[in-house]
Amino acid sequence: VQLVESGGGLVQPGGSLRLSCAASGFTFSGYWMSWVRQTPERGLEWAAHISQDGTVKYYVDSVRGRFTISRDNPMNSLYLEMNSLRAEDTAVYYCAKDGGVDWGQGTLVTVSS
Amino acid sequence: DVVMTQSPLSLPVTLGQPASISCRSSQSLVHSDGNTYLIWFQQRPGQSPRRLIFKVSNRDSGVPDRFSGSGSGTDFTLKISRVEAEDVGVYYCWQATHWPHTFGQGTKLEIK
Repeated sequence: VQLVESGGGLVQPGGSLRLSCAASGFTFSGYWMSWVRQTPERGLEWAAHISQDGTVKYYVDSVRGRFTISRDNPMNSLYLEMNSLRAEDTAVYYCAKDGGVDWGQGTLVTVSS
Repeated sequence: DVVMTQSPLSLPVTLGQPASISCRSSQSLVHSDGNTYLIWFQQRPGQSPRRLIFKVSNRDSGVPDRFSGSGSGTDFTLKISRVEAEDVGVYYCWQATHWPHTFGQGTKLEIK
């Protein structure tokens, strides 16, 4: 199993960013997938979760309405569209397979002017 | 949201000695399907989290048998029977029974 995140970087408050996660080594379409973020101050925080076919999505309150999780099963890819970014969204973002059995290496998002 | 409270937050342990981490939830983690989705992760310095235990007491493939999980309802424990140097890191409990899924604050294990 391999999960490789990309798309992180420095963005100004109020800006947008799109994270991607390329999955391989398993049947991607058969699993729920998550985005989990981590900061030294707040630790680990589950941010968003999507069902196998992409029709069911859950978000933590702090990102609901600003972030959108999506997936492309034929492309074995998971996405996180992040809008109206705030300083408190600064974190390492991980994609994780259902139940946290596998994680990517993470991508750093920094929101700062 | 379900609050997950770990203790201790810092755990200095002598090599070869046992270690125990407690995780308490603010409400029962028994799901309507009868399962209890309490998971333990290990995060070594500079690495991504690694799942050790799922559904309270099931060890993941490749996890040494010195790691064990127990508990029920709102009270859970991760035990390491004999700590080794490679066990240094931060340990997190995570509940996946209720939305949103929530983590404990983490317990930092270090060698004394």
